[in-house]
Amino acid sequence: GDSVTQMEGPVTLSEEAFLTINCTYTATGYPSLFWYVQYPGEGLQLLLKATKADDKGSNKGFEATYRKETTSFHLEKGSVQVSDSAVYFCALSDLSGGYQKVTFGTGTKLQVIP
Amino acid sequence: GAVVSQHPSWVICKSGTSVKIECRSLDFQATTMFWYRQFPKQSLMLMATSNEGSKATYEQGVEKDKFLINHASLTLSTLTVTSAHPEDSSFYICSAVQSLREAFFGQGTRLTVV
Repeated sequence: GDSVTQMEGPVTLSEEAFLTINCTYTATGYPSLFWYVQYPGEGLQLLLKATKADDKGSNKGFEATYRKETTSFHLEKGSVQVSDSAVYFCALSDLSGGYQKVTFGTGTKLQVIP
Repeated sequence: GAVVSQHPSWVICKSGTSVKIECRSLDFQATTMFWYRQFPKQSLMLMATSNEGSKATYEQGVEKDKFLINHASLTLSTLTVTSAHPEDSSFYICSAVQSLREAFFGQGTRLTVV
């Protein structure tokens, strides 16, 4: 079945540092890929997405490129801020048995210190 | 983006009682809705997949008689925790998708069973 593997956290960075959160996936079909963010005490919200190979999703300074050859969708940001502290989930969306299915990674907690 | 409303956002109930959580897609028709449970160390566990007009598909290890899911329309799914016990205390999150587009999440429900 489908699966998503992302790096374990927590990740602690100083403000303005470069961020990479690795994500790899396995899927039987041609999934869409997503990054979701969960701020403390809140639900999940979509951060960015890519629907086909070589697409780059970007939002709020974050970006990720859909790499079919390496089955990866790593999240990057050039300069993190304290307000980026949150849990980040990598996910894929695919059809399974004729129905939509979304599979999540375990989440990576990011803490940015001033 | 699309809006998914989850209600209530928090609930406290006595052990042995039942609690119903609603998930509504406000501005789109959701062919599929998902119910997740989030454990203290942040990982999201898919409990069940709910397709409108058909029985929910439960993940392995999830008691279908305890967690009743109903998806009566394209905009509403409900999760009922029956005979709740303190170990059922958790953060429950629903999401809704339309076709192969991204999943949109409710704000979550914090259930505390005392």
